[in-house]
Amino acid sequence: SQTIHQWPATLVQPVGSPLSLECTVEGTSNPNLYWYRQAAGRGLQLLFYSVGIGQISSEVPQNLSASRPQDRQFILSSKKLLLSDSGFYLCACVPGTVDTDTQYFGPGTRLTVL
Amino acid sequence: AQSVTQPDIHITVSEGASLELRCNYSYGATPYLFWYVQSPGQGLQLLLKYFSGDTLVQGIKGFEAEFKRSQSSFNLRKPSVHWSDAAEYFCAVGPGGTGKLIFGQGTTLQVKP
Repeated sequence: SQTIHQWPATLVQPVGSPLSLECTVEGTSNPNLYWYRQAAGRGLQLLFYSVGIGQISSEVPQNLSASRPQDRQFILSSKKLLLSDSGFYLCACVPGTVDTDTQYFGPGTRLTVL
Repeated sequence: AQSVTQPDIHITVSEGASLELRCNYSYGATPYLFWYVQSPGQGLQLLLKYFSGDTLVQGIKGFEAEFKRSQSSFNLRKPSVHWSDAAEYFCAVGPGGTGKLIFGQGTTLQVKP
């Protein structure tokens, strides 16, 4: 079965600083990958998803970008963080082989922008 | 428009009592339905899912959910709640596979001793 790693677990950054969050997947090949943001007291908002290397779809216009340099690596970035970027960021995958109908989630990264 | 509504933001039940969390959806096609649980500061764990067939589905940790097409509902139930069930619960709908999920706002469950 697949395992999703997210790094770092917690991050505190000043406004205007850059951001790089990493998600890596083990145990599956050619997964679909997703970035979600969960703001305090709110549900999950899909930010980006990717069906393959270099293929990124953006769901919501915003201050963030995503990249997929390798099959099982998904990166969320920003050049200049805003206060509104604070939240809990979750990476999810749909495995490429056996279970193609379910999203599985990583442990998340807590981002606080001050 | 496609949407998921979880009418109850917070629910408090006593340990050992039964539980039902409500989920209503609006979706044009036949939906794939999911329930996830999130403990504080953690990622989401899949409890159960419904794609087709028997409308009563069993999940992990003693949870079950029933799909009612006529009511556009997919309510989550557990006959006897344990203190460790305290968490946030999310209902989601989507086409499955490579599709994107639409999540409800979540229901926070508190369990009284």
